[in-house]
Amino acid sequence: QSALTQPPSASGSPGQSVTISCTGTSSDVGGYNYVSWYQQHPGKAPKLIIYEVSKRPSGVPDRFSGSKSGNTASLTVSGLQPEDEADFYCSSYAGNSNLVFGGGTKVTVL
Amino acid sequence: EVQLVESGGGLVQPGGSLRLSCAASGFIFSNFWMQWVRQAPGKGLVWVSRINSPGTSTTYADSVKGRFTISRDNAKNTLYLQMNSLRAEDTAMYYCVGGWPQGNYWGQGTLVTVSS
Repeated sequence: QSALTQPPSASGSPGQSVTISCTGTSSDVGGYNYVSWYQQHPGKAPKLIIYEVSKRPSGVPDRFSGSKSGNTASLTVSGLQPEDEADFYCSSYAGNSNLVFGGGTKVTVL
Repeated sequence: EVQLVESGGGLVQPGGSLRLSCAASGFIFSNFWMQWVRQAPGKGLVWVSRINSPGTSTTYADSVKGRFTISRDNAKNTLYLQMNSLRAEDTAMYYCVGGWPQGNYWGQGTLVTVSS
């Protein structure tokens, strides 16, 4: 149950795009289409923004998009807005009813 | 409106026990697999445990296996986490999460501090 690998930080100016990677193995990210992404603002609970690699829950802006290639999943935030500044976490089903999270990426809007 | 309200956290000595509860409302609790996820102060999210909708199947992270027990009472719309043999490294905010494997619904968390 090793954590998925995310870059510790990412940044972009308002209106720009930022992409966050989430690297695992063939036993988790690469083996299942059950990658999720969460946004967490300081002092708040995480919020689901992407599930099953690329699906958005109702109410999540289409500025948020997800994809996967091999053992790496990605989250892209397009048209960055000030309120997008937060921590982002990926997670993946890892077989045998186990789940693993990434270490988190702090996104800064410059 | 979906609500998950955790309770039961607090300060406990190493080796001690705590029982966390999570009261659910606003969705059909008995239809949802549920999870516990924790977050140490200033650190990332870590999956702890999950339980299926009828409560007949459970899994645990290696770090808590044999010490923590997840359970649920669908008649009371409540999820539980019994935590025994607590260690300093169990200090964290514990979140009750609805849905599996994605966490559709999150509570605000209850803080557990293990310290002498």
